[in-house]
Amino acid sequence: EAQVTQNPRYLITVTGKKLTVTCSQNMNHEYMSWYRQDPGLGLRQIYYSMNVEVTDKGDVPEGYKVSRKEKRNFPLILESPSPNQTSLYFCASRRFVGEAFFGQGTRLTVV
Amino acid sequence: GNSVTQMEGPVTLSEEAFLTINCTYTATGYPSLFWYVQYPGEGLQLLLKATKADDKGSNKGFEATYRKETTSFHLEKGSVQVSDSAVYFCALIGGTQGGSEKLVFGKGTKLTVNP
Repeated sequence: EAQVTQNPRYLITVTGKKLTVTCSQNMNHEYMSWYRQDPGLGLRQIYYSMNVEVTDKGDVPEGYKVSRKEKRNFPLILESPSPNQTSLYFCASRRFVGEAFFGQGTRLTVV
Repeated sequence: GNSVTQMEGPVTLSEEAFLTINCTYTATGYPSLFWYVQYPGEGLQLLLKATKADDKGSNKGFEATYRKETTSFHLEKGSVQVSDSAVYFCALIGGTQGGSEKLVFGKGTKLTVNP
């Protein structure tokens, strides 16, 4: 089954404690991206990757890091999380110009 | 750059009512257009798409037609059900402004259908 898998689904952490949200896809898609979803703001792109070792900033990259060492994986790293990063996060993958497939989401709370 | 504007919600309807959610876009060339749906507690999933002018995308009773002349992709359903309650996102990708690397979303429209 074609899918994008994110983990964890829910995470509560404290300010400053580094965390990683994993994302994996099994469709051999070149393109992967991370979004955050906040009430009233819709979906905003954090980072994207067009292929292995190729990443670039989206609209709201501050406070986040990503890496793309393998085609299937695209982890999101928060080196020092802050409360304003409390949000619902989605990973997505697609071919270069095509529909995106989304993970189930990770609800992050930073206290 | 490319952009998408969709009607703000929330939208509340009674079961079997007719639904329209407006979506207009700004892009040069011929972007691909999508409607995504997000059910409570879930990720976004593709509802329908259209890749060229005058194409009609359809799925689960929903339809949308790619109108190049009005730069619109309005979502319609003739008779909504309670199970259609969700947030709907209009989106585009491509065109000729170099926007192919980014999937651009509207802000979403929350639909609630009451029995």
